[in-house]
Amino acid sequence: RKEVEQDPGPFNVPEGATVAFNCTYSNSASQSFFWYRQDCRKEPKLLMSVYSSGNEDGRFTAQLNRASQYISLLIRDSKLSDSATYLCVVNTNAGKSTFGDGTTLTVKP
Amino acid sequence: SAVISQKPSRDICQRGTSLTIQCQVDSQVTMMFWYRQQPGQSLTLIATANQGSEATYESGFVIDKFPISRPNLTFSTLTVSNLSPEDSSIYLCSLTGQLNTEAFFGQGTRLTVV
Repeated sequence: RKEVEQDPGPFNVPEGATVAFNCTYSNSASQSFFWYRQDCRKEPKLLMSVYSSGNEDGRFTAQLNRASQYISLLIRDSKLSDSATYLCVVNTNAGKSTFGDGTTLTVKP
Repeated sequence: SAVISQKPSRDICQRGTSLTIQCQVDSQVTMMFWYRQQPGQSLTLIATANQGSEATYESGFVIDKFPISRPNLTFSTLTVSNLSPEDSSIYLCSLTGQLNTEAFFGQGTRLTVV
């Protein structure tokens, strides 16, 4: 079993749609949780951190459930520019990042 | 966040040769890492670059194939040795924030072995 598992996707949605990505992790000692965005042929860039209390940044909402070892990302009112691969990332206290395989989102007009 | 400069951005290399990738950071950082992203796949950690000592390699990666240097807190190199087509990949250097939390990446090096 992979340490970090994501929805395989791909997700193809129309503009304005709401889309949710799910992620589970196996290491209960994991300390920090993030969603990254990776555009084609580019390096991953931090989208947002994920906290147990849930956090929101504009159209993006992230949620962490430590008991279930589950992380989610919700994107509301999808834009064409949201098309990318979204990576679920889990860190240990040693600072090492473990990446999910990524979920590809394509937003269509 | 620190500014990370990675070079070369891409290279095409012959089988059996080696490529050295450099990563320069504009401030001193504790943790630096090297990742590989094979075509269509996610990132896999190669090793942690330790300042002044040998790198710590993940399972499946060895020093002879991926020698790493880190002479100071702002610079590291990764060499991919004895290249084969299977080494064609993107290689990324990474560092963590001051609280050793989120990771930041260099621009990546796209390697093609022919």
